[in-house]
Amino acid sequence: EVQLVESGGGLVQPGGSLRLSCAASGFTFKAYWMTWVRQAPGKGLEWVANINQDGSEKYYVDSVKGRFTISRDNARNALYLQMNSLRGEDTAVYYCARGFNCAYWGQGALLTVSS
Amino acid sequence: DIQMTQSPSILSASVGDRVTITCRASQTVGSWLAWYQQKPGKAPKLLIHMASTLESGVPSRFSGSGSGTEFTLSISSLQPEDFATYYCQQYNTYSYTFGQGTKVEIK
Repeated sequence: EVQLVESGGGLVQPGGSLRLSCAASGFTFKAYWMTWVRQAPGKGLEWVANINQDGSEKYYVDSVKGRFTISRDNARNALYLQMNSLRGEDTAVYYCARGFNCAYWGQGALLTVSS
Repeated sequence: DIQMTQSPSILSASVGDRVTITCRASQTVGSWLAWYQQKPGKAPKLLIHMASTLESGVPSRFSGSGSGTEFTLSISSLQPEDFATYYCQQYNTYSYTFGQGTKVEIK
């Protein structure tokens, strides 16, 4: 069974940093692109970043470029999102998802950016 | 960047109705389009990929069509469990984009 489990969410002050993790199981992690998607409270889905199978290609939504870094550890079956210089508008549930068409999703991790 | 526009934003319907949601892309995305269903407090669920391919386990009352810049998601006979928010997503480019969502509510 495919499972994606996010962790690392929490309350952070503006300007702070946080790293989200996504533990993958039930599939050959190194064979898939992986994606981060977020959803602000009461809002729609927003693609944040994605990464190819070996980590050599990474893409970001404009609003997080230069602040967020997506990475992966294929030996640990883990996906990460390092978030720096956090802003209030980054407050959201962050989901990791598998593949281009996001066939599988985690349960989400809540990030709240507030003083 | 490719913009995705869904219509309507809210759709009021009754059980048994046929409903159609439209998604338009600001430039062609070929058939690289997916549809998701999301219920409150839950992660999205993939319904359709490649514009018209039904994901395994998704009821056949759901169908997708279109290519290029205009796509539709149809539900042939709305069931109580189908009241939810639906999103389209293009993945023609590595920078994905979601539509703003269509909430299907009980009339």
